[in-house]
Amino acid sequence: AQTVTQSQPEMSVQEAETVTLSCTYDTSESDYYLFWYKQPPSRQMILVIRQEAYKQQNATENRFSVNFQKAAKSFSLKISDSQLGDAAMYFCAYPCRGQGAQKLVFGQGTRLTINP
Amino acid sequence: NAGVTQTPKFRILKIGQSMTLQCAQDMNHNYMYWYRQDPGMGLKLIYYSVGAGITDKGEVPNGYNVSRSTTEDFPLRLELAAPSQTSVYFCASNQHNPGTQYFGPGTRLLVL
Repeated sequence: AQTVTQSQPEMSVQEAETVTLSCTYDTSESDYYLFWYKQPPSRQMILVIRQEAYKQQNATENRFSVNFQKAAKSFSLKISDSQLGDAAMYFCAYPCRGQGAQKLVFGQGTRLTINP
Repeated sequence: NAGVTQTPKFRILKIGQSMTLQCAQDMNHNYMYWYRQDPGMGLKLIYYSVGAGITDKGEVPNGYNVSRSTTEDFPLRLELAAPSQTSVYFCASNQHNPGTQYFGPGTRLLVL
């Protein structure tokens, strides 16, 4: 079974600094997506960024970027110029495919605190 | 465009009671999912559907049932509520596979 591991239960960073959240996963597939979701105190699950495994270029969305290492099965999230609004739980997710569906397997999450 | 909607937002149940969590999406997505999130944990898949009339179990289906009579709606039924079902429940949908999955705002359920 596919697994997703986030080894950092909590992280903190000073406002305007850069922080990297780690994620590793296990799969035997060669073509897949990977996702980072943000969950603020409102509990809403918000897509931050996604990476297609067949693309060698790392995905970037404004201040958010990933470091995707396919051979190492590593998918870390870098947040640049951290802002107070970035404080949230962050979840890495891998879609386990079956019957055509895309069943997300989530990591345990990393709680990110931004210090002013 | 409302996206994925869920009702109710919060509910308290007594042990043994039943209830239905509602989920609807207006994006004409074929694929819909129910996840639960226990405190301090990631989400786990309960049930999913690949289209109207087709459903299947996820990782943690015990104690739940689903139906999918229309493309838009995917209700989750709890028949005999137990304290272990205290959780936040999320409904999600997507159109293409692989593709981005969109989540509803969640339903917080407390079973006492």
